[in-house]
Amino acid sequence: SAVISQKPSRDICQRGTSLTIQCQVDSQVTMMFWYRQQPGQSLTLIATANQGSEATYESGFVIDKFPISRPNLTFSTLTVSNMSPEDSSIYLCSVEQGWSYEQYFGPGTRLTVT
Amino acid sequence: GQQLNQSPQSMFIQEGEDVSMNCTSSSIFNTWLWYKQEPGEGPVLLIALYKAGELTSNGRLTAQFGITRKDSFLNISASIPSDVGIYFCAGQNTTSGTYKYIFGTGTRLKVLA
Repeated sequence: SAVISQKPSRDICQRGTSLTIQCQVDSQVTMMFWYRQQPGQSLTLIATANQGSEATYESGFVIDKFPISRPNLTFSTLTVSNMSPEDSSIYLCSVEQGWSYEQYFGPGTRLTVT
Repeated sequence: GQQLNQSPQSMFIQEGEDVSMNCTSSSIFNTWLWYKQEPGEGPVLLIALYKAGELTSNGRLTAQFGITRKDSFLNISASIPSDVGIYFCAGQNTTSGTYKYIFGTGTRLKVLA
């Protein structure tokens, strides 16, 4: 399975600022996904990021708030813009390898907005 | 967004006991995944299921893809303390034209030594 790393692992940010989260994979993957998870709760998909095309956002998530970049097949970033305390959450990236339909997750970024 | 219903919501069991949990949906899926998540970590893939009726094992874990394609089950035999965590199911229907997974509400497992 792919090895996925995320940076930062955690951060505490002031409201009104922005944070960019990086996701690095050790192999080339076509499909990458960004999720949000409240501690102890289920996962909610923010967007699907495929290389060479714009990210596809789920209902309730917009590009102005969560811009995503996917410059190549091993890397993606998610920015949380103009943060408010409601954005405090765990942000996870995941990848789908080949055509296996199996998704693998990074360790997550724990964000606290004060 | 849409979520799958998992039951039970939480379980407290004695070490050595067997565990059963299930996941149900109002929609049909053609792939089911089961994950385990420990505090401070991302979910770890345990088992993938691709066909209705399929029964797949991974060590002490066994999962089944329901015949109706609207449910899936996970069993853990002879539980040990390191089985503690939250177990999530996830369903995917690629015939809808998307590759996104819908995640379950989670089953929190605690094992008493």
